[in-house]
Amino acid sequence: DADVTQTPRNRITKTGKRIMLECSQTKGHDRMYWYRQDPGLGLRLIYYSFDVKDINKGEISDGYSVSRQAQAKFSLSLESAIPNQTALYFCATSDRGQEEKLFFGSGTQLSVL
Amino acid sequence: GEDVEQSLFLSVREGDSSVINCTYTDSSSTYLYWYKQEPGAGLQLLTYIFSNMDMKQDQRLTVLLNKKDKHLSLRIADTQTGDSAIYFCAEGTGKLIFGQGTTLQVKP
Repeated sequence: DADVTQTPRNRITKTGKRIMLECSQTKGHDRMYWYRQDPGLGLRLIYYSFDVKDINKGEISDGYSVSRQAQAKFSLSLESAIPNQTALYFCATSDRGQEEKLFFGSGTQLSVL
Repeated sequence: GEDVEQSLFLSVREGDSSVINCTYTDSSSTYLYWYKQEPGAGLQLLTYIFSNMDMKQDQRLTVLLNKKDKHLSLRIADTQTGDSAIYFCAEGTGKLIFGQGTTLQVKP
């Protein structure tokens, strides 16, 4: 079983719809992250959380929100999806410590029509 | 703000060495990282280097760090077709900033 699980793997939605991407982990890590990947732009940080009650904005948080429901769960919501939010979304986790070793899920490919 | 830059594409012949380069702006990072992304998969940590080191070798991988020029490189010796992937440089403390990724194409 994967240590970091993202659901769904693929999602097609329409402009204006609200959608949620979910992430769960069995690694026991405190820190969780949401990134989006676009060709030629690499990975950009959307939101991150260092603990259950901690939420921080990343580089590109506009149009997104998150919820850290438990240590193991971190969900990303698009309140009103728009076409330029079409991307590959990754959840990642890391443990506390100086070495920021991230463990990634397999990604969610989101298409907004 | 923090920025990490990489060239987008590199093509090599099987058996040759590959060198992937990266420049970064944040000099306060304790560690710098290389991640590998194979098709259809998430990123996996390949190797990392402590910021006080100049070089780290791990089997076929050699990481060179020039802190003065804020330049990081990854050398893959005897490149194989299985090394074809996207390679990301990353740095940061508390949260990682990634470069654009370099697509490595290995020709037989």
